[in-house]
Amino acid sequence: DTGVSQNPRHKITKRGQNVTFRCDPISEHNRLYWYRQTLGQGPEFLTYFQNEAQLEKSRLLSDRFSAERPKGSFSTLEIQRTEQGDSAMYLCASSSYLPPPGQGTGNTIYFGEGSWLTVV
Amino acid sequence: AQTVTQSQPEMSVQEAETVTLSCTYDTSESDYYLFWYKQPPSRQMILVIRQEAYKQQNATENRFSVNFQKAAKSFSLKISDSQLGDAAMYFCAHRSLTSGTYKYIFGTGTRLKVLA
Repeated sequence: DTGVSQNPRHKITKRGQNVTFRCDPISEHNRLYWYRQTLGQGPEFLTYFQNEAQLEKSRLLSDRFSAERPKGSFSTLEIQRTEQGDSAMYLCASSSYLPPPGQGTGNTIYFGEGSWLTVV
Repeated sequence: AQTVTQSQPEMSVQEAETVTLSCTYDTSESDYYLFWYKQPPSRQMILVIRQEAYKQQNATENRFSVNFQKAAKSFSLKISDSQLGDAAMYFCAHRSLTSGTYKYIFGTGTRLKVLA
């Protein structure tokens, strides 16, 4: 499977707990993105990486949120001290300037299936 | 800052008919990409079609085509011969090529219902 992979797909947690999501991008994609999506809304940009460097962070990304991409491969998104307002789907996407063979066009982001977070 | 607006929260189309979804965007740049993504219920977001702003020719992909009006900053999606499987949320997105950011900005989406 050469698509973007996210896990866990679903997470229910109690308010105040920490959660971590993992994203494995399409192999050789150097850019990786995190978005948040709530029901009936479009994806909201959170942050993106080029290789291991985190190049941009949204103001939506409070200090309780942290993302890493060690070695420029997979990425993790951690939410500390979760709040009910954090309940959403967290989408990961990846892209490359030049597409790997057989994987579509460059400068197009390809999404994973998302990780649903419910904070109770 | 770039913004993307989809003014139609919901649209309906009869099976086999044609429907057009609207999208407008705001940017001060001349070079950028525009995209339409489809998100079926509880399923993955997938690319439908994309347009490079420097290309005057409208992109087409089988039953999907766009009407790109650069001066008007309009980017509509036309779906011909609608099928039940086209029912989904459709999101318009913009990505700058010259502002130094690689982020993609999405609209709020249009829910498309296909009636049998």
